[in-house]
Amino acid sequence: KNEVEQSPQNLTAQEGEFITINCSYSVGISALHWLQQHPGGGIVSLFMLSSGKKKHGRLIATINIQEKHSSLHITASHPRDSAVYICAVSPPALNSGGYQKVTFGIGTKLQVIP
Amino acid sequence: KAGVTQTPRYLIKTRGQQVTLSCSPISGHRSVSWYQQTPGQGLQFLFEYFSETQRNKGNFPGRFSGRQFSNSRSEMNVSTLELGDSALYLCASSYRGLGYEQYFGPGTRLTVT
Repeated sequence: KNEVEQSPQNLTAQEGEFITINCSYSVGISALHWLQQHPGGGIVSLFMLSSGKKKHGRLIATINIQEKHSSLHITASHPRDSAVYICAVSPPALNSGGYQKVTFGIGTKLQVIP
Repeated sequence: KAGVTQTPRYLIKTRGQQVTLSCSPISGHRSVSWYQQTPGQGLQFLFEYFSETQRNKGNFPGRFSGRQFSNSRSEMNVSTLELGDSALYLCASSYRGLGYEQYFGPGTRLTVT
């Protein structure tokens, strides 16, 4: 089982629809990141969460630490939202003598149709 | 502030060669992390440098190495290239490390033939 699971892997929506992308993780974390990647490769950090909820424009991200689950919501979706959305988790504070790593979900490819 | 820059943007190398990629972080950022992205494996974490010290690393072979200079610029080196090393290599910078917001560069697309 992957340490970070994302669903769905592919999502097609009509313009204006409400979209939800889910991320579950099984490791300890210090923070969870939602990233957006457009064709061509550039990655933009949308949110960094360690608890609760954040909102930026039409995007909302929530995290439930106890359930190890996060969701990314897009309200009133638009064709320019078409991209790959990636969930990533950062490790807890470094324990002495050990390396830790950032772990990524497989990504959700979103296509919003006009 | 200028964003994260990576050079070169595109690179073609032959199996067995070595390659060095460069990343210049946002001014004031002391953490630089490197990632490999392939269609089959997605994004994978290579390593993180903070104040010239490797602080975290992923599960990559020793052919992948890096360093960070006193001005926080970082380089990543891959020796004895294999076909499977063809990928988009991304770096990201952060003020304090992996638990803080990451700012990504545009990436270097490496093709190994």
